[in-house]
Parts: sequence; structure tokens; C-alpha cells
Amino acid sequence: DAMVIQNPRYQVTQFGKPVTLSCSQTLNHNVMYWYQQKSSQAPKLLFHYYDKDFNNEADTPDNFQSRRPNTSFCFLDIRSPGLGDAAMYLCATSKIRDRGSEQYFGPGTRLTVT
Amino acid sequence: DQQVKQNSPSLSVQEGRISILNCDYTNSMFDYFLWYKKYPAEGPTFLISISSIKDKNEDGRFTVFLNKSAKHLSLHIVPSQPGDSAVYFCAPRDSGAGSYQLTFGKGTKLSVIP
Repeated sequence: DAMVIQNPRYQVTQFGKPVTLSCSQTLNHNVMYWYQQKSSQAPKLLFHYYDKDFNNEADTPDNFQSRRPNTSFCFLDIRSPGLGDAAMYLCATSKIRDRGSEQYFGPGTRLTVT
Repeated sequence: DQQVKQNSPSLSVQEGRISILNCDYTNSMFDYFLWYKKYPAEGPTFLISISSIKDKNEDGRFTVFLNKSAKHLSLHIVPSQPGDSAVYFCAPRDSGAGSYQLTFGKGTKLSVIP
């Protein structure tokens, strides 16, 4: 089945220690998104790639970076995680970037910062 | 400032009865509205949508109603089944340059009691 895969599902990192979360997709979609969802909050878009074109949301902290080496993979790098970065990180894809294009989500990676 | 409000964090309904989940929004640029459903340990999955040119969209047991003047939409599930127990997110899109973006509400956790 075509899908969005996130690894690992659970990640524990230490305060200030860089961490990378990964997302892969077999849908061959052009757009990949990263969302952050804190407990009891709405998922919040951090940034997205439209093909190789990176688009950062205005309020995404500089501490968060992303890489998309090819169509299938996208990485979220947190350079110096703080306690406030503990959250569920959701990766999503869509075929194109327009209003009618459904987004498909992975299961998420739950990040704990100690 | 929350643009999308789902004021009921949780809702319990008896199996076979109607579930009504509500969503209010403030951004008048929203013109396409999606509902996502999320089971524990899974990513959100698309459920149903409605365009602002309509006031009702039906898909099987799921119906979404839109009241543009009140900036209010609701998702009706009839009859409710135990498998419908999940968190439901309202996620509008706007008609402007950011039309690919989903602006999520905080979600309503539905529990359908057998």
C-alpha cells in the first residue's frame, strides 16, 4: 500500500543535542509537509517542500531545519532541542499544492526532550 | 489568536445515535473546509470536505453542514458506531496565496459507547 512512513515513532533526545526525524513516502507526491503538534493543541505547519523548493512558515524557529534529498524522503532537523520542542511531529504529503489537494499524514514521531 | 475553534474537547455518544461535532472560524478568507479523523498512534486521515459554495455535503453516514454567515460548520455522524471513536479535526483552507495550508482546530475526541 502506498503510504507515508515516519521513523522513529518515538525519539528521546537530550536538551541541546541535535536530533533528526525522517519521513518517507511511496505516493510519489510533489509536496511534503512537517507539522508540530503539542499536547492538546492543533497541528501547526512548520514548513513544506514543493518539489525541491523549501517554504518556511514565518513563525517557525530557526532551530528547525529540513532537507529533502529526493522525492521520497524528507528530514526534520532540530539543531538544539529545548524542553519546549517536545511534541508529536507529523509528516504529510500531497500530490500538488492547491486547495483541493488532500494531505496524507504519517503516524507521527513523538519527541521527548530530557 | 485561534482562527479555528472546536469548543468541545470531548463528546460521548451512545452507539446508534447521532454525533454532532462543531467548528467555528474567524477568517473570512476560508473557503474550503476539511474534516480529518485521527486514531491513537496514527496520523490524521481525510474524512470529508465542503466548499464554501455549498451548505451541505454528504458521504454515507457523514454529513458536513456549513453556515457561512455564522462562520460555523458541523459534522454529523449518523448512526454513530464504536469504530468512529477518534479525534476529529476541523481544518479550513483559505482562498489566498496560502491555499495549500491547513489551519487545524484543536480537535474533538469522540467516544461512541456500545
